[in-house]
Amino acid sequence: GQNIDQPTEMTATEGAIVQINCTYQTSGFNGLFWYQQHAGEAPTFLSYNVLDGLEEKGRFSSFLSRSKGYSYLLLKELQMKDSASYLCAYITGGGNKLTFGTGTQLKVEL
Amino acid sequence: NAGVMQNPRHLVRRRGQEARLRCSPMKGHSHVYWYRQLPEEGLKFMVYLQKENIIDESGMPKERFSAEFPKEGPSILRIQQVVRGDSAAYFCASSPGPRYEQYFGPGTRLTVT
Repeated sequence: GQNIDQPTEMTATEGAIVQINCTYQTSGFNGLFWYQQHAGEAPTFLSYNVLDGLEEKGRFSSFLSRSKGYSYLLLKELQMKDSASYLCAYITGGGNKLTFGTGTQLKVEL
Repeated sequence: NAGVMQNPRHLVRRRGQEARLRCSPMKGHSHVYWYRQLPEEGLKFMVYLQKENIIDESGMPKERFSAEFPKEGPSILRIQQVVRGDSAAYFCASSPGPRYEQYFGPGTRLTVT
């Protein structure tokens, strides 16, 4: 069954901040990725957390708590072009395959 | 530095035909991954390859599907005797090694009629 979970949809206002949560359960955890995917396009790499804490990269930040099996992606100063699906994925063991959640469809409104 | 390249971008096949999907990894990347995305579903891992070796094929259907990454040339995902349920977007990703970020190609959208 699905052992990585994220909300299906979120709506936010242009210029605002939004936090997209992701919870997971797995053994041999080796890192958590976030990708952005616009409709009909390839996933684009956003962030990779291996250790606990916050990683900041411009308007995007990602947080990881390994003990809680929890991550979030924080998007600041939202723009219309941020409307997309945001995918979280974990990597395990030998670090070969990504296990993806079903994605959070973010809609940014005026 | 060119990104991951996939071709064709769109492929239409009739039931029973064969589909061949190609992937050229980013320059300097020797690890290739194939994922499938069914409509309204998440990306699912299929297979992980290095040059001339299949490392992990735990996500590959047992029949009709095969993958290779020869010493020269692109990685190939081959689907024999396609069925309507094979209609999906097939994405290839590459990385310089395990536990590095994976970069995705634009995908091949397969439609089986």
